[in-house]
Amino acid sequence: EDQVTQSPEALRLQEGESSSLNCSYTVSGLRGLFWYRQDPGKGPEFLFTLYSAGEEKEKERLKATLTKKESFLHITAPKPEDSATYLCAVQAEGANSKLTFGKGITLSVRP
Amino acid sequence: DGGITQSPKYLFRKEGQNVTLSCEQNLNHDAMYWYRQDPGQGLRLIYYSQIVNDFQKGDIAEGYSVSREKKESFPLTVTSAQKNPTAFYLCASSWAGYTEAFFGQGTRLTVV
Repeated sequence: EDQVTQSPEALRLQEGESSSLNCSYTVSGLRGLFWYRQDPGKGPEFLFTLYSAGEEKEKERLKATLTKKESFLHITAPKPEDSATYLCAVQAEGANSKLTFGKGITLSVRP
Repeated sequence: DGGITQSPKYLFRKEGQNVTLSCEQNLNHDAMYWYRQDPGQGLRLIYYSQIVNDFQKGDIAEGYSVSREKKESFPLTVTSAQKNPTAFYLCASSWAGYTEAFFGQGTRLTVV
């Protein structure tokens, strides 16, 4: 069974204090790993897709990396508007395209 | 604007009643999904459909039903058999195969 574990559950940062969010996964053949951002009361917003170990993608203050067992979402010099819940999901090799999600990491950035 | 539209945003239901949540997409995506989100839990897959007139059960399908009569529409019915229906429901769509899914803004269902 595919599993995704995100840590920590919650993270509080001071504005400008860089940090990383972790996503550990167990899947029978990884097809893709996805990061989403979710604001309270809204649907998740797609951020990145990573396909193979060693791959990195960047968008503004966010950088996602992937190894064979985990992914990191690095946040450089965060701003209060980066406060949100960050979701990680995996897609396994197989006959369908469904995603398995972690529980999410709630990030709060204080000004 | 291309996107996924869920309606209504808020829905209240009395115990014992069925209720249908709407999901429409104009992205020309082949696949559509329904997820349920509860506080402190990840998104859990209810049903998904990869082509018109075909759908599969996800991890928590009991008490729910769906139809896929048109490519752009994938309504979800929460039946009276669903024991704990109060939750945030999210609809998503994607291209067929292995691509990222895009989400609607959700429907918050409350049973009163």
